[in-house]
Amino acid sequence: KAGVTQTPRYLIKTRGQQVTLSCSPISGHRSVSWYQQTPGQGLQFLFEYFSETQRNKGNFPGRFSGRQFSNSRSEMNVSTLELGDSALYLCASNSGVQANYGYTFGSGTRLTVV
Amino acid sequence: GNSVTQMEGPVTLSEEAFLTINCTYTATGYPSLFWYVQYPGEGLQLLLKATKADDKGSNKGFEATYRKETTSFHLEKGSVQVSDSAVYFCALSDGKRGALTFGSGTRLQVQP
Repeated sequence: KAGVTQTPRYLIKTRGQQVTLSCSPISGHRSVSWYQQTPGQGLQFLFEYFSETQRNKGNFPGRFSGRQFSNSRSEMNVSTLELGDSALYLCASNSGVQANYGYTFGSGTRLTVV
Repeated sequence: GNSVTQMEGPVTLSEEAFLTINCTYTATGYPSLFWYVQYPGEGLQLLLKATKADDKGSNKGFEATYRKETTSFHLEKGSVQVSDSAVYFCALSDGKRGALTFGSGTRLQVQP
């Protein structure tokens, strides 16, 4: 069965612009989580969506937002980009019923802000 | 809050050597514990997991035992291969927040 698909794989944006990243979870998975990975801060949780509702949120500014559609696909948006937003953004999906089943990650979107 | 502490890397080993990567955690309740692996340029792959005390997770020759008394989940492999070179992340889920808390990662380099 298909894994978690993230698009695009690479993105270069200019400071001040906004960006939208996309994530398609494993078929049947209703929970989608987003993480930011940087060399300095490691892996940090952004937010989780379940059945089109944001269920949990990490400690990121309001410039970071997301949504989930009825087919469980999710998008993440970052507005007014800063140089520090350069990172690998990872999406993970889970059935949403049992967190201890583990999460399946996509290959990520590498965002570079110049 | 929850936290995961991993040993600093990089860990450099010769092929067929024994591997241990230490992981300890702090969490309320009874978290589930995971090891993920990340190869260059890729996302995270679930390597193994354990959901309760004394559970042993295993996969591809890797093993880790959930030790509640020492709040640890150390990763071991009896004989590493060059293809095991990657970054390994220990993580926990308390099941309530719907999110994983990760350690800082340990880079493993296996030399032929």
